[in-house]
Amino acid sequence: GAGVSQSPRYKVAKRGQDVALRCDPISGHVSLFWYQQALGQGPEFLTYFQNEAQLDKSGLPSDRFFAERPEGSVSTLKIQRTQQEDSAVYLCASSLAHRNYGYTFGSGTRLTVV
Amino acid sequence: KNEVEQSPQNLTAQEGEFITINCSYSVGISALHWLQQHPGGGIVSLFMLSSGKKKHGRLIATINIQEKHSSLHITASHPRDSAVYICAASRDSGGSNYKLTFGKGTLLTVNP
Repeated sequence: GAGVSQSPRYKVAKRGQDVALRCDPISGHVSLFWYQQALGQGPEFLTYFQNEAQLDKSGLPSDRFFAERPEGSVSTLKIQRTQQEDSAVYLCASSLAHRNYGYTFGSGTRLTVV
Repeated sequence: KNEVEQSPQNLTAQEGEFITINCSYSVGISALHWLQQHPGGGIVSLFMLSSGKKKHGRLIATINIQEKHSSLHITASHPRDSAVYICAASRDSGGSNYKLTFGKGTLLTVNP
């Protein structure tokens, strides 16, 4: 597609519910990133894929967070047993390669856990 | 201390004013990014630079590698420029150079 597409745009989850957030990157972009942005803060790194390989998941805040990109294109970020502190905007970005190339960001998914 | 610091945190200007947003970083970088985020919207990449100066329309970004400082300038500001402007660094740290470290952003409001 022309840009990075994220869905859903908004998600309200009850505490304890599992959620799945989808990112459809620009076709041909090798690198894919997930970031978490809390209200009033800058985005924080969650995880990085190069094609289908998850090369860095050091930013995932707990084992309730899981990300995959099985065919090297679409990626899903799953959060199990959501907690209130998971409420944030989840941003996906893709890049042609992994270094010194521009990033294209999606519009984000705003997750609210009630 | 954050690795990427922006100032000011909030900025209010009148239409037509020249605007400067500053970014200082304390880590080695391979590139410095300026990004724009509208309320409720996604992030748009404005500039990526590793030296010198870049210009796009009314936007100018400069970087001084020795001083570890970058500025984003907006000439002839307009209310549609109102947004959060974020500085982010691609770290020059070997295997982790793909990560972006973000500043907290500068909320710019341009009044008509």
